[in-house]
Amino acid sequence: NAGVTQTPKFRVLKTGQSMTLLCAQDMNHEYMYWYRQDPGMGLRLIHYSVGEGTTAKGEVPDGYNVSRLKKQNFLLGLESAAPSQTSVYFCASSSPRGSQETQYFGPGTRLLVL
Amino acid sequence: GEDVEQSLFLSVREGDSSVINCTYTDSSSTYLYWYKQEPGAGLQLLTYIFSNMDMKQDQRLTVLLNKKDKHLSLRIADTQTGDSAIYFCAESDSNYQLIWGAGTKLIIKP
Repeated sequence: NAGVTQTPKFRVLKTGQSMTLLCAQDMNHEYMYWYRQDPGMGLRLIHYSVGEGTTAKGEVPDGYNVSRLKKQNFLLGLESAAPSQTSVYFCASSSPRGSQETQYFGPGTRLLVL
Repeated sequence: GEDVEQSLFLSVREGDSSVINCTYTDSSSTYLYWYKQEPGAGLQLLTYIFSNMDMKQDQRLTVLLNKKDKHLSLRIADTQTGDSAIYFCAESDSNYQLIWGAGTKLIIKP
């Protein structure tokens, strides 16, 4: 099992450009998440999905869109990139059992917006 | 809203014990977690504790939970250079989302 994979690993964008980050998991997990990690701020939830075809906003959704057309994939889109979106983006997946859930993380995508 | 707080840095000597502390605000959290992030990598679950437990031990790791003070700690015995990482505390909220601390960077001195 590959677990959670993310593509690309690194990307440089100019302000105003668009891009899509892809997350894939092969663990048949129901839940998937997109976080951003900034120095000294921990992880902040951007969007999440509790199943195929569903998405929901997290703590910092503005400027991002997501889609979960297939259970194993969760896409994060930046329609018009801004320097404030320079960050490391992590995808995670989980399959909650009762109230306990372990989230499995991908290796991250480093995005630099100039 | 819910909040999780941690110190940003901890420096210890190799071979000593490391104690990483965390405070949280949501008293209804059922589970509390410790994740480890090594340089350039994603986060991995280290251990978790159910809220009706006071302590959980797993080899060199000891988790202590004080529900009254909403205080969680992670003790790493005999700290090694391979323990250098950022350690994140997290609590589950009422929607089963995780609320994350900012992470504590553990620095090992030789």
